Amino acid sequence: DGGITQSPKYLFRKEGQNVTLSCEQNLNHDAMYWYRQDPGQGLRLIYYSQIVNDFQKGDIAEGYSVSREKKESFPLTVTSAQKNPTAFYLCATGEKPDQPQHFGDGTRLSIL
Amino acid sequence: KQEVTQIPAALSVPEGENLVLNCSFTDSAIYNLQWFRQDPGKGLTSLLLIQSSQREQTSGRLNASLDKSSGRSTLYIAASQPGDSATYLCAVEKLVFGKGTKLTVNP
Repeated sequence: DGGITQSPKYLFRKEGQNVTLSCEQNLNHDAMYWYRQDPGQGLRLIYYSQIVNDFQKGDIAEGYSVSREKKESFPLTVTSAQKNPTAFYLCATGEKPDQPQHFGDGTRLSIL
Repeated sequence: KQEVTQIPAALSVPEGENLVLNCSFTDSAIYNLQWFRQDPGKGLTSLLLIQSSQREQTSGRLNASLDKSSGRSTLYIAASQPGDSATYLCAVEKLVFGKGTKLTVNP
């Protein structure tokens, strides 16, 4: 089954803790993206990667970090520097640059 | 900086009605525009992608138009059904999304 898998579906973070959200794809797409969605808001771009071993900051990268060691995987770490991490996080892929077309089902992150 | 606005923020219609959702953007120098659907607690599903050289795209009961000169796109849904109830978002390249229109189709 081709698609994007995000895990976990729900995640809780303690104060001062780093947490990592997983995004795996088997669509063979070069581009991968991480977005944050707050209630009643649109999506805001955190980081994106057009190719393996390369990634770029989006509009709200502060307090987040990513890696792209494999084409299939683009994990997002929410660090303790991100003071307001509670949100719905969405991972996406695309065949072409700047065209996210396929989205995962998201991870909902909350603060304990 | 590119900004994308969607009006209305919410819309409720009876089943069978034709409807139009609006999207406007401030920088007309775009390469493409996409319309997505989001169901509650889920990711986004791409509905239509319009390249800058195109004026419209159609898929089933959906038709999206693009007018770059005026910075506008519309999504037309014909003969709406309860299953169309969702939030619809538009996005322009450079990955800028509007806040969406929440559509409710009442049976």
